Amino acid sequence: GAGVSQSPRYKVAKRGQDVALRCDPISGHVSLFWYQQALGQGPEFLTYFQNEAQLDKSGLPSDRFFAERPEGSVSTLKIQRTQQEDSAVYLCASSYRDYTGEQFFGPGTRLTVL
Amino acid sequence: AQKITQTQPGMFVQEKEAVTLDCTYDTSDQSYGLFWYKQPSSGEMIFLIYQGSYDEQNATEGRYSLNFQKARKSANLVISASQLGDSAMYFCAMREGVGNQFYFGTGTSLTVIP
Repeated sequence: GAGVSQSPRYKVAKRGQDVALRCDPISGHVSLFWYQQALGQGPEFLTYFQNEAQLDKSGLPSDRFFAERPEGSVSTLKIQRTQQEDSAVYLCASSYRDYTGEQFFGPGTRLTVL
Repeated sequence: AQKITQTQPGMFVQEKEAVTLDCTYDTSDQSYGLFWYKQPSSGEMIFLIYQGSYDEQNATEGRYSLNFQKARKSANLVISASQLGDSAMYFCAMREGVGNQFYFGTGTSLTVIP
């Protein structure tokens, strides 16, 4: 399909495990965003890439969270030593232009930490 | 202070009727963008409509219109002729100035009654 895809769609991790969440943006989209959406809340910004450069990571909640986009396309959000409070839906969005463009969202990865 | 406030946790509307979902925002920037997204139970965020702070006309997209009142800092979404498929969560969001972040509200759950 032509939309943003994310994998896995669901992930269950034991507390303390590391997880990696993948985002495939729409081909040609320059900007890529990660959001965390807790149950019953709106998405909260985590980090932003323009091509391969991570221009803003101010929303990452701790140094256990790490994101990369080495070739300016696919991005991975990694969470080390997962905690129960990390349980949420992680949404990825991409935008054709820079941050001013409309964002197209993927279906999200629902992470549950036991 | 919250950047985006949505005061209606849940709304009901009769099929074929119009409904207004409220959104107020807080920013000191002169340049900003306001967005509405729909999130069905499948989880994907679907872009509905955009209003720029300098746009003089209210944005419209099919059955969606944005009632932009700049002095009151409100950006209410109006859905005309509601359909059963409109039942979903609706999020108001804002991008400030040249910032990278989108700020989302807590959402309004809309239920369309047949």
